[in-house]
Parts: sequence; structure tokens; C-alpha cells
Amino acid sequence: SQELEQSPQSLIVQEGKNLTINCTSSKTLYGLYWYKQKYGEGLIFLMMLQKGGEEKSHEKITAKLDEKKQQSSLHITASQPSHAGIYLCGADRSWGGGADGLTFGKGTHLIIQP
Amino acid sequence: NAGVTQTPKFRVLKTGQSMTLLCAQDMNHEYMYWYRQDPGMGLRLIHYSVGEGTTAKGEVPDGYNVSRLKKQNFLLGLESAAPSQTSVYFCASSKDVQPQHFGDGTRLSIL
Repeated sequence: SQELEQSPQSLIVQEGKNLTINCTSSKTLYGLYWYKQKYGEGLIFLMMLQKGGEEKSHEKITAKLDEKKQQSSLHITASQPSHAGIYLCGADRSWGGGADGLTFGKGTHLIIQP
Repeated sequence: NAGVTQTPKFRVLKTGQSMTLLCAQDMNHEYMYWYRQDPGMGLRLIHYSVGEGTTAKGEVPDGYNVSRLKKQNFLLGLESAAPSQTSVYFCASSKDVQPQHFGDGTRLSIL
């Protein structure tokens, strides 16, 4: 079965600094999703990557999927308190668009210090 | 447009009791999912459904049953609750190859 490893497990960053979270797969990724979860709440979809080398940005968050489709990174520029939370990467369990659900990494806890 | 709604939000059960968690979506999505989230374990797929009247097992299906009698609803049942089932349960739905939309979760404690 596919496993996703996220690093780091936790991250404390001073407000205004940049940061990167990584997600590494044991197998080729069919589809890779980044979600954000605030403590005690549900998951909010951030971005979806499907093609090797693909890069997407939304506001100050950029996600990339490497050419071999086994690693993705999430980069936040000029971090703000609103970026604090748990970041989760998820991957399609099989080829075909993920109808049979996602496998998730264990998450990265991000704390932004003022 | 409420998206994905889970009820109840919190529940405390005694070992051996049964209960049903309800997930409702108003987006006409074909696919629906139940995950559990535990500290240090991330989210794990329990059961899923690719359409009305269909269900399938995920990674950790033991001790749970599901039903999808109506397209908009996906029910997760615990027949005889065990302390190991204490968790936060998330329902999600999606359409085609689009990202999954998640509910706010149900916090379940089993004593």
C-alpha cells in the first residue's frame, strides 16, 4: 500500500518568514492533494497536482510535484498568523481519479510566532 | 449551500453501545467517504461509496458498517462500540476526479 511521509512533523516559524513542507511517497503519485486543517475543524482543500513538474500557486502558497511524481512540496512565502494549522498531503489510492479514496500523510503542524 | 454536514458533532458512548453517524451532502456528488483521524496516525479511510446503493471497504473497515440508500446520505454505523474506536470521524464527498470536500467532523469518545 502507498505511504506518504511528511516532513517536518512540526514547524515553528516567525511571522514573515518563508517555509517549506515536504510530502514523499513510496510509490508514483497519481494525484496529490494539499489540505489545511485548523485545530478542531475539518479539512480545507488547497491545491491538486497531477502532472510531473506541475506547480500551482494560490495567494502566498505554492505547491509543486516533482518530475518523477514521488515528492511534493508546499511553500509559504511571508508567513502570516492565518497560515497556522495542520497541513496534510493526500494521494489517490489508485489510478482513476481517486474514486476509491485518499491516503494521507500524518500532517505537519505549523505554528506562526508573531 | 451547506456542503458536507455531519451529525452529531460530539458523542460519548459506553463500550458495547451502538450508534450511527450521519453524513449529508447537497452537492449531488457521486462519491462519499468516511475517514477516521487519530493522533500520530493521520486520516485513514474506513469505507467509501461510488454511488447510491454501493459501498466498499477502505483501509480500516473492521467494526464499522455503512449504507448509502440515498445519493446525498452516507451513514456510518458502530454495532458494538469499543474504546479503540474513539476518534474524530470525517466524512467527505467528491464528483468525478475533483478534490474531496470534507465535513467538520464528529468527535466520538467511547468509555
